[in-house]
Amino acid sequence: DTAVSQTPKYLVTQMGNDKSIKCEQNLGHDTMYWYKQDSKKFLKIMFSYNNKELIINETVPNRFSPKSPDKAHLNLHINSLELGDSAVYFCASSQDSGHGYTFGSGTRLTVV
Amino acid sequence: KNEVEQSPQNLTAQEGEFITINCSYSVGISALHWLQQHPGGGIVSLFMLSSGKKKHGRLIATINIQEKHSSLHITASHPRDSAVYICAALTGTASKLTFGTGTRLQVTL
Repeated sequence: DTAVSQTPKYLVTQMGNDKSIKCEQNLGHDTMYWYKQDSKKFLKIMFSYNNKELIINETVPNRFSPKSPDKAHLNLHINSLELGDSAVYFCASSQDSGHGYTFGSGTRLTVV
Repeated sequence: KNEVEQSPQNLTAQEGEFITINCSYSVGISALHWLQQHPGGGIVSLFMLSSGKKKHGRLIATINIQEKHSSLHITASHPRDSAVYICAALTGTASKLTFGTGTRLQVTL
């Protein structure tokens, strides 16, 4: 069983479209995250949720809206996609202390 | 300037060599992670440490909190160690990671 699973793995879409990426963890962790890896492979936090509550929103455009229906799921919805949104998006989860950090396999988003 | 700096950016080694990757940080941390990202893209946490030294197989990670510096060592390197190694500072009560720019390691036969 995959500990942190993201879907889809690849997403190619046109500018202006709305798309969602889903993430689920079966580790019992209370904290989940979305990270973005840009074309230079630099990783940066976008959002963090603890027990369904948003605790970090790192100056991400409001076209990006995370949703956590329960503590095992953290989805990312993106409105009006732009070329600059092309990146790899990683979901992750951890215990509150930061122990057990586990990453999903990433979603490669390409906006054309 | 990044809050977390790594060196070198790129490293080529021959099989069997001892490898060191360095990480310096300017923020207050609760711990530091060393991560490995293979060409396929997946990210794995190798170590989380807040003091001293940890060892797992051929990998050793050390941290000096006073000097705000950590190192990752690989002994008897092997081509399968080829990957990007990233140090990441765990900061704040929200346990967010602030990443270094990564070190791309290539181990040749």
